[in-house]
Amino acid sequence: NAGVTQTPKFQVLKTGQSMTLQCAQDMNHEYMSWYRQDPGMGLRLIHYSVGAGITDQGEVPNGYNVSRSTTEDFPLRLLSAAPSQTSVYFCASSYRPFDEQFFGPGTRLTVL
Amino acid sequence: GDSVTQMEGPVTLSEEAFLTINCTYTATGYPSLFWYVQYPGEGLQLLLKATKADDKGSNKGFEATYRKETTSFHLEKGSVQVSDSAVYFCALSDENTNAGKSTFGDGTTLTVKP
Repeated sequence: NAGVTQTPKFQVLKTGQSMTLQCAQDMNHEYMSWYRQDPGMGLRLIHYSVGAGITDQGEVPNGYNVSRSTTEDFPLRLLSAAPSQTSVYFCASSYRPFDEQFFGPGTRLTVL
Repeated sequence: GDSVTQMEGPVTLSEEAFLTINCTYTATGYPSLFWYVQYPGEGLQLLLKATKADDKGSNKGFEATYRKETTSFHLEKGSVQVSDSAVYFCALSDENTNAGKSTFGDGTTLTVKP
């Protein structure tokens, strides 16, 4: 049981480049979320999904896209990277809507 | 909307000292409450949880009691160790949202010195 996996672990982009952060879970969880973590600001919700084919925006969705074609995968796409998107990104999943979340190890992204 | 307010840090303690990290919340429904811990370079992991009023969550010597009357969920440990040095996040998940997402506090960095 790998839990929640994220790739890559580190990434450096130039302003304007696009990329996809990968997230996968093998626990058959319906609920998945993407957060970003910035110093002194806790975790802020970017997008979330309540099942395959269903996604919605969180607190800070601008500049990011998601899709959920399978229960296992929930990729996060940066459309045109900006320095303000320099952050650590965490993917999380849960079995029920108000259960604890299981987190991936994170992706540290730097945008120059 | 929902919100979580955590005691501001950082917190520095000597080994075997008593730890309290305060957490209060605002929610429209009847939330589940959580404490997560994040060790350097890692993701968050669940430390303990409580799902209804007066429940006490406990794990690894840490405890927190769900107090509905004061909307609080303070984290305590009687005797901290160097290995407890980490960032601690209080969080809630509101059953009314039915969406599997949580609201987090800003985190409290704990450093324990030998």
